Amino acid sequence: DAGITQSPRHKVTETGTPVTLRCHQTENHRYMYWYRQDPGHGLRLIHYSYGVKDTDKGEVSDGYSVSRSKTEDFLLTLESATSSQTSVYFCAISEGVGARQETQYFGPGTRLLVL
Amino acid sequence: DAKTTQPTSMDCAEGRAANLPCNHSTISGNEYVYWYRQIHSQGPQYIIHGLKNNETNEMASLIITEDRKSSTLILPHATLRDTAVYYCINAGNNRKLIWGLGTSLAVNP
Repeated sequence: DAGITQSPRHKVTETGTPVTLRCHQTENHRYMYWYRQDPGHGLRLIHYSYGVKDTDKGEVSDGYSVSRSKTEDFLLTLESATSSQTSVYFCAISEGVGARQETQYFGPGTRLLVL
Repeated sequence: DAKTTQPTSMDCAEGRAANLPCNHSTISGNEYVYWYRQIHSQGPQYIIHGLKNNETNEMASLIITEDRKSSTLILPHATLRDTAVYYCINAGNNRKLIWGLGTSLAVNP
């Protein structure tokens, strides 16, 4: 399995509080992604990174920010959590080159409940 | 919206082959067909991918039609541990995979 960890694995927070989720990889892959998964929806891309300090928005980026100061870490921040951000969050990585450039490897997920 | 169409659910007997279809009639020439699966509560897992030729690895086989408008993922000897949601995705190089709801495969004893 690809070396991807997410922390925390579970979190309960209150509306209006800031929350930061961390994704850590040991594969030295260039690309990192944050997705959310909700019932009735497929995985939806929030943000992704194509290098240190290089990020781009996905389809559901409102209310989220990201940072990548090191190759191995990609942080997702909810500046002021809302109940609509209750979800399961997955981090993924990919090499981004060659025939397997779109092959993504996923972390175990973080379950976030915003009360 | 997802660019692929898959049946919502399928059943398969343990030990038999599971054949999961996917329609991708709008696939572009440079897009690969990717298959992932997600076992309950876990992160998605890469299975296999292909461009136009059939592919096989230790997990599965991928059959892509000549016109590339559809494909079939084959699990040759399904086990109970293959019970999962299977996703078919067309992917180019824009980093933005579009995930549908996939096919929920139940492997029955």
